Amino acid sequence: AQSVSQHNHHVILSEAASLELGCNYSYGGTVNLFWYVQYPGQHLQLLLKYFSGDPLVKGIKGFEAEFIKSKFSFNLRKPSVQWSDTAEYFCAVTAISSGSARQLTFGSGTQLTVLP
Amino acid sequence: GAGVSQSPRYKVTKRGQDVALRCDPISGHVSLYWYRQALGQGPEFLTYFNYEAQQDKSGLPNDRFSAERPEGSISTLTIQRTEQRDSAMYRCASSLGREKYFGPGTRLTVL
Repeated sequence: AQSVSQHNHHVILSEAASLELGCNYSYGGTVNLFWYVQYPGQHLQLLLKYFSGDPLVKGIKGFEAEFIKSKFSFNLRKPSVQWSDTAEYFCAVTAISSGSARQLTFGSGTQLTVLP
Repeated sequence: GAGVSQSPRYKVTKRGQDVALRCDPISGHVSLYWYRQALGQGPEFLTYFNYEAQQDKSGLPNDRFSAERPEGSISTLTIQRTEQRDSAMYRCASSLGREKYFGPGTRLTVL
């Protein structure tokens, strides 16, 4: 079964700092990759997704992520964070060629706190 | 409605009681998923439906957990004889394609 690792459990940054959140997955076949965000008091929202094609994908609010197949990674980046980016971020994968193709497997999440 | 809705948003129950959690997906969405999220963890898959058919229930932890979607729309997740370890956020999602849209979740606390 596939698994997802997010190595940073809590990240604290000042406004305007650059952000990179790590995500690694374990599955050798074709995958769809996602980043979800949960703002305080709100539900999970899709931030960006990768299905195929250009490995650099852009999402909402200036976020982007790069799929590096050789490293089994899908790291999330933002050049300059804002206080409003304070939230919990989840990386997730769907293993397309496995029997569990419909399942999203999530990482444990990274809590981002941006100090004003 | 515009999004996935879940009810109740919060449920506090005593150990041994049965609970039913409801999910109302986005209109027209074929697939419906249930996830459970413990504190400090990411959501874990429980089960999913295509229309009214339960396609995969491999994530249900034991036979106290069951789910149904009798008319291919609203779904109910039922937990019988609740235990304290069942305390978690229960999340529902629906999809038409590869993107899943999540509801606000039900926070279940078993005392």
